[in-house]
Amino acid sequence: AQSVTQLGSHVSVSEGALVLLRCNYSSSVPPYLFWYVQYPNQGLQLLLKYTSAATLVKGINGFEAEFKKSETSFHLTKPSAHMSDAAEYFCAVRHSSNTGKLIFGQGTTLQVKP
Amino acid sequence: KAGVTQTPRYLIKTRGQQVTLSCSPISGHRSVSWYQQTPGQGLQFLFEYFSETQRNKGNFPGRFSGRQFSNSRSEMNVSTLELGDSALYLCASSLGGLAGGLQETQYFGPGTRLLVL
Repeated sequence: AQSVTQLGSHVSVSEGALVLLRCNYSSSVPPYLFWYVQYPNQGLQLLLKYTSAATLVKGINGFEAEFKKSETSFHLTKPSAHMSDAAEYFCAVRHSSNTGKLIFGQGTTLQVKP
Repeated sequence: KAGVTQTPRYLIKTRGQQVTLSCSPISGHRSVSWYQQTPGQGLQFLFEYFSETQRNKGNFPGRFSGRQFSNSRSEMNVSTLELGDSALYLCASSLGGLAGGLQETQYFGPGTRLLVL
């Protein structure tokens, strides 16, 4: 069965510091992985997705993620945090069947301190 | 293009009542998926509709049902509401079909926040 695990339910960084949000996946088939962000009282917005075309994926708002098969990881990073990055971040894997089902991690709340 | 819209945005119901939530996908999208988000369980898949047919179903009781219309708009219904049904219900749309594939992006609406008293 496919699953994703997000290490750390809360991450706190200072403005300007590196952001690192961790995601590990479990999949018996090549995974299709996604990172979404959710701002308070809003839906989910796609940050980036891994589609096997490249292991380093660049997304919106300066975020990027690197797919590492040997570590079964897809960690999200941003070189310099901004106050507006404070939100909840979700890693997700597409279910192996050709449907719209996404399997989400538990989420990581990012706090950015001034 | 307009995004995914969900109505109503907020809803308050009492135990035992039923509720219907609506989702209008992005124009041209034929797949609509529904998710329940709660602090304790996180984001859980409810079901997906594609071309008016339920294509996949999550592990929820039969009180949760849905349907999709010929214009791809979808509704979900929860009957005999329980306190634990209080949640944010999110709808997501995508093109669906074989052309989309597993890498296809799902676009989420703002959600309907349901409070059951």
